[in-house]
Amino acid sequence: GAGVSQSPSNKVTEKGKDVELRCDPISGHTALYWYRQSLGQGLEFLIYFQGNSAPDKSGLPSDRFSAERTGGSVSTLTIQRTQQEDSAVYLCASSLIGGAYEQYFGPGTRLTVT
Amino acid sequence: AQTVTQSQPEMSVQEAETVTLSCTYDTSESDYYLFWYKQPPSRQMILVIRQEAYKQQNATENRFSVNFQKAAKSFSLKISDSQLGDAAMYFCAYRTPSGGGADGLTFGKGTHLIIQP
Repeated sequence: GAGVSQSPSNKVTEKGKDVELRCDPISGHTALYWYRQSLGQGLEFLIYFQGNSAPDKSGLPSDRFSAERTGGSVSTLTIQRTQQEDSAVYLCASSLIGGAYEQYFGPGTRLTVT
Repeated sequence: AQTVTQSQPEMSVQEAETVTLSCTYDTSESDYYLFWYKQPPSRQMILVIRQEAYKQQNATENRFSVNFQKAAKSFSLKISDSQLGDAAMYFCAYRTPSGGGADGLTFGKGTHLIIQP
């Protein structure tokens, strides 16, 4: 079946602009995760959605970051007023509910802020 | 907070040889899961192997096996008969089962594995 998809694959934006990154999880996966991968910080967990429940936002690096998940499926990560330090690869993963279940990752969106 | 340490930024091995990647972690939990993920240049993270902390038997998946030492908080990955397709970044990751998975994965910094033909 189809895996996790993310769009766009690459995004170049000017400092101060807003960007939206999209994630389509595997059908039937109620858990969805966002991670950020950068050279300086490695892989960081950002946010988690379980079904339609309100997400735990404590991992988001600043209040410029927000995420939503519509209808328990597609998720959008929005970064407002982008800064150069936001440049990174943003990875999305989905899984069944529960810590033992494998997280399936998408190919990521490479964000470059100029 | 949990931490995961991979002390080898880069490893190189001859094709068909065996290589071991190291990982240590720090936690106060008694129940948790450990993972090795592979990330080739395509950026796609792929699960290689998983270990449940309550299981004493080391996990094995074909040419990949782990040496899980719970008391030492060590979780190394052994790749036997290395193949060119094994070349990638390898990440060790940790997760607790609590909260239904709400805590996400904690990753190490990664080891870049080079396969010499």
